[in-house]
Amino acid sequence: SQKIEQNSEALNIQEGKTATLTCNYTNYSPAYLQWYRQDPGRGPVFLLLIRENEKEKRKERLKVTFDTTLKQSLFHITASQPADSATYLCALAEVSSASKIIFGSGTRLSIRP
Amino acid sequence: DGGITQSPKYLFRKEGQNVTLSCEQNLNHDAMYWYRQDPGQGLRLIYYSQIVNDFQKGDIAEGYSVSREKKESFPLTVTSAQKNPTAFYLCASSTTSGVGNQPQHFGDGTRLSIL
Repeated sequence: SQKIEQNSEALNIQEGKTATLTCNYTNYSPAYLQWYRQDPGRGPVFLLLIRENEKEKRKERLKVTFDTTLKQSLFHITASQPADSATYLCALAEVSSASKIIFGSGTRLSIRP
Repeated sequence: DGGITQSPKYLFRKEGQNVTLSCEQNLNHDAMYWYRQDPGQGLRLIYYSQIVNDFQKGDIAEGYSVSREKKESFPLTVTSAQKNPTAFYLCASSTTSGVGNQPQHFGDGTRLSIL
């Protein structure tokens, strides 16, 4: 069956450290993978998009990797801050399903001062 | 500021009642989407529309209906046929209909509960 999995347990990180979140998928062939941030009671906010032929994408303190062999994307936040505390969602899209993006259930990240 | 506006923020439904959730965007986006989010689960696609006067069912369309009479508006009706409507409903839009190479812009959701 098709699955997209993120760490179900909350991730607690000390301020200043690098937070690494994982997104694994099964029985998908994504052409694109996106990462979103969601705060409680709010809608998700787009952060980064990476294509299947890209290994890595960076934006300020954020870095995303995409390994189609391992069927995995990693999302890194360097020099983490308490304001980075939120739920982070990964989402993938296959070329064959042109109008659909499949979302993972998200990982809750908590940065302690 | 451009964005997506969902209203109301909280909505209560009585048994046997239809309710309509509003979604308006001023981003000039062609594509609009409705998702349902339940605790501990990912967003699930209810309906999507790529162009005015056209829309397609998503993965969980049963018990829901939509219309797309204007580019800016994509209201969702939760009908009495939807037996488990309690959830957080999110509306989104994007510049094109997909292949995932465009970010989706989300509203701040409507939380629907049963009285």
